[in-house]
Amino acid sequence: KNEVEQSPQNLTAQEGEFITINCSYSVGISALHWLQQHPGGGIVSLFMLSSGKKKHGRLIATINIQEKHSSLHITASHPRDSAVYICAARGSQGNLIFGKGTKLSVKP
Amino acid sequence: NAGVMQNPRHLVRRRGQEARLRCSPMKGHSHVYWYRQLPEEGLKFMVYLQKENIIDESGMPKERFSAEFPKEGPSILRIQQVVRGDSAAYFCASSPQGGDKQYFGPGTRLTVT
Repeated sequence: KNEVEQSPQNLTAQEGEFITINCSYSVGISALHWLQQHPGGGIVSLFMLSSGKKKHGRLIATINIQEKHSSLHITASHPRDSAVYICAARGSQGNLIFGKGTKLSVKP
Repeated sequence: NAGVMQNPRHLVRRRGQEARLRCSPMKGHSHVYWYRQLPEEGLKFMVYLQKENIIDESGMPKERFSAEFPKEGPSILRIQQVVRGDSAAYFCASSPQGGDKQYFGPGTRLTVT
């Protein structure tokens, strides 16, 4: 069993839909990261959070430390949101343990 | 402020050759992390370095792989005697301090023929 599990693995949505990607982890963490990997391979760090909720534009990330669970929400999704979204737990040494990613495709 | 730079972006090596991958962190960042993404697989941690020190190399293969981050210049990930299984995308990330948000470079795609 992976230390960081994401669901769903693949997600297809229509433009405008509200999207939720889930992440569960079994390790003790100091923070949780959400990353976006574009089709060309580049990686962008979206959020780093250790409690509560963060919002940036149409993206919202939440974390529940007691339940070891985090969610990434995208409101009013757009085809340009199509990418792989990766959850990563940060261990005590600073290194990241990655989920396998959720491939999102938003259709116009 | 330029982002994290990696070069080369693409590298082709024959089996048995050496590969050197470079990473220049963002200005003001003294912490560097190397990650590997094998084809159709997720990202995996390799090594975490601070200037002139290896903090955590628990993800590095025991043989052929080494990393350094000298006082001056970029961090280098070195793979000796490459094999086909080393073909992957190698990403570097940097942060100002160890617990901070990490910023990723564009990656180096290594192909071993």
